[in-house]
Amino acid sequence: DAGVTQSPTHLIKTRGQQVTLRCSPISGHKSVSWYQQVLGQGPQFIFQYYEKEERGRGNFPDRFSARQFPNYSSELNVNALLLGDSALYLCASSLPFGTNYEQYFGPGTRLTVT
Amino acid sequence: AQSVTQLDSHVSVSEGTPVLLRCNYSSSYSPSLFWYVQHPNKGLQLLLKYTSAATLVKGINGFEAEFKKSETSFHLTKPSAHMSDAAEYFCVVSEAGYSTLTFGKGTMLLVSP
Repeated sequence: DAGVTQSPTHLIKTRGQQVTLRCSPISGHKSVSWYQQVLGQGPQFIFQYYEKEERGRGNFPDRFSARQFPNYSSELNVNALLLGDSALYLCASSLPFGTNYEQYFGPGTRLTVT
Repeated sequence: AQSVTQLDSHVSVSEGTPVLLRCNYSSSYSPSLFWYVQHPNKGLQLLLKYTSAATLVKGINGFEAEFKKSETSFHLTKPSAHMSDAAEYFCVVSEAGYSTLTFGKGTMLLVSP
């Protein structure tokens, strides 16, 4: 079975630009979460979506937004990019919504802002 | 609020010797605890999880962890390190009723021949 897939793998953007990152969950998984991992740090929670509704939001500015589609895939959008947005963006999927359900991570999208 | 402290940023062991990666957590409610491993240029892989069943949890690749509520600890151990264990390890907490994960800063495990 295919795991969580993310695209693109790498991306280079300029300050002030906008970026869209994409995630396809494991087949049958209805919950998708996004995390930002800055170099040398653990991942930080950005958003969680379940059944196309936002179920959680981390401490990130409004420049960050996301959505989930009817097929449960998801997009993360970041506007007005800053140098500090350079990071590995990870997507994770899980079956339903709840603590005991494992989250499966994709390989990530490496975003570099210059 | 929940948080995780990984007590060592780097741990170095020789192949064949025991591994101990230390983790302390803070949580207002009954937490679920996880250990994830991240190999270079790879995604995060779940090693094991504690969800209020047995306090000694066995995971993949010979790793195990013990939940100690009195010490608020969830240390990861392995009896004998292998070269392929070299990677970054994250201790993660999730509070009951919520599925967002809070990660520690990570411990880099270095294994020498």
